[in-house]
Amino acid sequence: AQSVTQPDIHITVSEGASLELRCNYSYGATPYLFWYVQSPGQGLQLLLKYFSGDTLVQGIKGFEAEFKRSQSSFNLRKPSVHWSDAAEYFCAVGAGGNEKLTFGTGTRLTIIP
Amino acid sequence: NAGVTQTPKFQVLKTGQSMTLQCAQDMNHEYMSWYRQDPGMGLRLIHYSVGAGITDQGEVPNGYNVSRSTTEDFPLRLLSAAPSQTSVYFCASSSQGWETQYFGPGTRLLVL
Repeated sequence: AQSVTQPDIHITVSEGASLELRCNYSYGATPYLFWYVQSPGQGLQLLLKYFSGDTLVQGIKGFEAEFKRSQSSFNLRKPSVHWSDAAEYFCAVGAGGNEKLTFGTGTRLTIIP
Repeated sequence: NAGVTQTPKFQVLKTGQSMTLQCAQDMNHEYMSWYRQDPGMGLRLIHYSVGAGITDQGEVPNGYNVSRSTTEDFPLRLLSAAPSQTSVYFCASSSQGWETQYFGPGTRLLVL
């Protein structure tokens, strides 16, 4: 069965600093990988996704993620965070097609001035 | 284009009461799903539908019923509410498979 681990429950970053959120997955074949963001009181919004091809994917709001098969990781990065990036971030893995997604437990990001 | 809408936004129930959480989408998506979000547990799939008239169970279906009579609507019914069903419920839809889901704003449910 597929699974996702987000080892950091809560991360605090200063505004303007760089960010990396970790995601490790377990899946037998090439996975479909996703990062979603949930702003306070809102539903989830897709930031980016990886299906195949270039292992560095660009998303919305200046985020990017890199698929590393050897490490079973799909870490999310941003070079300079803004106060509006404070939110909860979820990594998810799937097999595509009719296979359902499995979500991680989320990482809450706090931005300090 | 409203996307995915959910009503109500917040609801308090007493143990044993029943209620229906409403979900509607105006994007003509075939796939619709219900998740619950609990602290430290991420999102867990309750029920899902791959088209009108077709529903199936997800990871945590017990205590919930669904039906899909139209493409647009996918209500979630709690038959006899229990405190363990206190959670935030999200409805989502997608056009093809599970690849890009659009989420509603959520319903916060408190069962006393």
